[in-house]
Amino acid sequence: NAGVTQTPKFQVLKTGQSMTLQCAQDMNHEYMSWYRQDPGMGLRLIHYSVGAGITDQGEVPNGYNVSRSTTEDFPLRLLSAAPSQTSVYFCAIRGAKNEQFFGPGTRLTVL
Amino acid sequence: GQSLEQPSEVTAVEGAIVQINCTYQTSGFYGLSWYQQHDGGAPTFLSYNALDGLEETGRFSSFLSRSDSYGYLLLQELQMKDSASYFCAVRRDQAGTALIFGKGTTLSVSS
Repeated sequence: NAGVTQTPKFQVLKTGQSMTLQCAQDMNHEYMSWYRQDPGMGLRLIHYSVGAGITDQGEVPNGYNVSRSTTEDFPLRLLSAAPSQTSVYFCAIRGAKNEQFFGPGTRLTVL
Repeated sequence: GQSLEQPSEVTAVEGAIVQINCTYQTSGFYGLSWYQQHDGGAPTFLSYNALDGLEETGRFSSFLSRSDSYGYLLLQELQMKDSASYFCAVRRDQAGTALIFGKGTTLSVSS
């Protein structure tokens, strides 16, 4: 996974709870992204960042917040979890050849 | 709006050649990528086309025609391990941080 770590691997939340999905990289890459993947679907972009202090919205940003205080970390916050946010979440970094390297994912269930 | 269309399923036998097509309609275009994803795993990068033409990487090749908003992934000498989902993705931003994915094509290779 090219040095991209995500924690936790699995998480179960109740509706209304908040939590932070962690993403860290040790390759000093500027560009990082968050995606969600639902069964039978492609990945949908939530938020992305082109460097520390710079973030932007993707296709499905509602219900999620991000910040990028350091190059290494790009946490994704669920403000008030809803069953519709049950999904697999992938963090990614952009490599030098326009490829994206994905972390192993966090499998989130919201009851 | 932005959309990518690819077939939902393709089946083939070992040793065969298969082509997975992708047509796209996006507001910004900086290149077409292909990713492979095995069940339960993270997507892994296969290829990237920024310009028209064919890119070859071992058994896999990818083609792009920007005038037709069309690309394809060609898999040769199919092996059982090639059974996976394949996603085309368009770069939405110049930095290459934000990708818009198709819904994926499930390839089943049989002996």
